[in-house]
Amino acid sequence: AQSVTQPDIHITVSEGASLELRCNYSYGATPYLFWYVQSPGQGLQLLLKYFSGDTLVQGIKGFEAEFKRSQSSFNLRKPSVHWSDAAEYFCAVGGADGLTFGKGTHLIIQP
Amino acid sequence: SQTIHQWPATLVQPVGSPLSLECTVEGTSNPNLYWYRQAAGRGLQLLFYSVGIGQISSEVPQNLSASRPQDRQFILSSKKLLLSDSGFYLCAWSKGQGNYGYTFGSGTRLTVV
Repeated sequence: AQSVTQPDIHITVSEGASLELRCNYSYGATPYLFWYVQSPGQGLQLLLKYFSGDTLVQGIKGFEAEFKRSQSSFNLRKPSVHWSDAAEYFCAVGGADGLTFGKGTHLIIQP
Repeated sequence: SQTIHQWPATLVQPVGSPLSLECTVEGTSNPNLYWYRQAAGRGLQLLFYSVGIGQISSEVPQNLSASRPQDRQFILSSKKLLLSDSGFYLCAWSKGQGNYGYTFGSGTRLTVV
């Protein structure tokens, strides 16, 4: 069965500092991989996705993620965070029968 | 462009009462439709998905059911709510194998009292 692990429940970063959120997946075939962001009480917004091709994927809001098959990882990065990036971030893997999500990483931005 | 609508946004229901949450998609045809639940501290759990009218797959046995009476309509129901049904319910749609991504609705916050 497919699974996603986000090892960091909470991460605190200073505004302007770089960010990396970790994601490891288990999937039997070539995975479709996603990162979503959720603000409190809101739905999920897609940041970026990977299906094939270039392993470095660019997304919205200045985020990028790198697919590393050898490490079964799909880590999310941003070179300089803004206070508005404070939110819950979910990594997900899946296909036509739905997505399997990690438990999320809560990002806190310090002024 | 495609849009997804979910309602109501919030709902407070007593234990034992019925439930009906509705989700509709506009601007596409034959979407794959999904219901997820987000309980506090437990991440997002896939409840049901549908690849066509009348076709429902259940991921987790529970007190809920889903129906797809029309191509772009997906309904989540319960005959008798339990306290444990409280949570944030999200509807989503995708096209084909999901390689164009999944788009989520704005969610329904259900509190069972």
